[in-house]
Amino acid sequence: GGIITQTPKFLIGQEGQKLTLKCQQNFNHDTMYWYRQDSGKGLRLIYYSITENDLQKGDLSEGYDASREKKSSFSLTVTSAQKNEMAVFLCASSIRDWGYAEQFFGPGTRLTVL
Amino acid sequence: GDSVTQTEGPVTVSESESLIINCTYSATSIAYPNLFWYVRYPGEGLQLLLKVITAGQKGSSRGFEATYNKETTSFHLQKASVQESDSAVYYCALGEGAGNTGKLIFGLGTTLQVQP
Repeated sequence: GGIITQTPKFLIGQEGQKLTLKCQQNFNHDTMYWYRQDSGKGLRLIYYSITENDLQKGDLSEGYDASREKKSSFSLTVTSAQKNEMAVFLCASSIRDWGYAEQFFGPGTRLTVL
Repeated sequence: GDSVTQTEGPVTVSESESLIINCTYSATSIAYPNLFWYVRYPGEGLQLLLKVITAGQKGSSRGFEATYNKETTSFHLQKASVQESDSAVYYCALGEGAGNTGKLIFGLGTTLQVQP
């Protein structure tokens, strides 16, 4: 088995601030993902990474940067936090970028922008 | 475009009653869709409940079943007799089959509340 760790669990920021979320996995999975979930909405893909140093944009990449420094870690940066923004960011990983591969999810980082 | 529509919640049922959560999909740009049900139990992370990658096949797990119906573009989740421990949020998701993106398209989620 394995686990996905996301830090921080709660993130409070100011409007215009750059904020970084981190994700670590010990599954030894190749592919990692960042999703955003707004209240009452489904998960939307922000970025994913097929392997170390690879980055692929999802449907919601504008306003975000990502970094896959090593196989086990995947960071997401909110480049300029929007006032009153509230969302949960979920990190996930899968063995490969196959469409049928199970994705394993972390517990999430809850973002609040004041 | 590609999308997933599922039963709007919350859905409240009594223990031992039957359950169906509807899921329909549109896969206009996906040649071979894969279909998934993910679940989030209270206090836990999102996890896979079941998946089906071949049209016409049925997946099952923890007493839940879902059949991949290509004709009706549906993947409804069913259980004959729910338990209180099934209370959770259920997400239907669509993935690319032959593609290599691993990208999932999720529905909005359906909150299930099972009353004792």
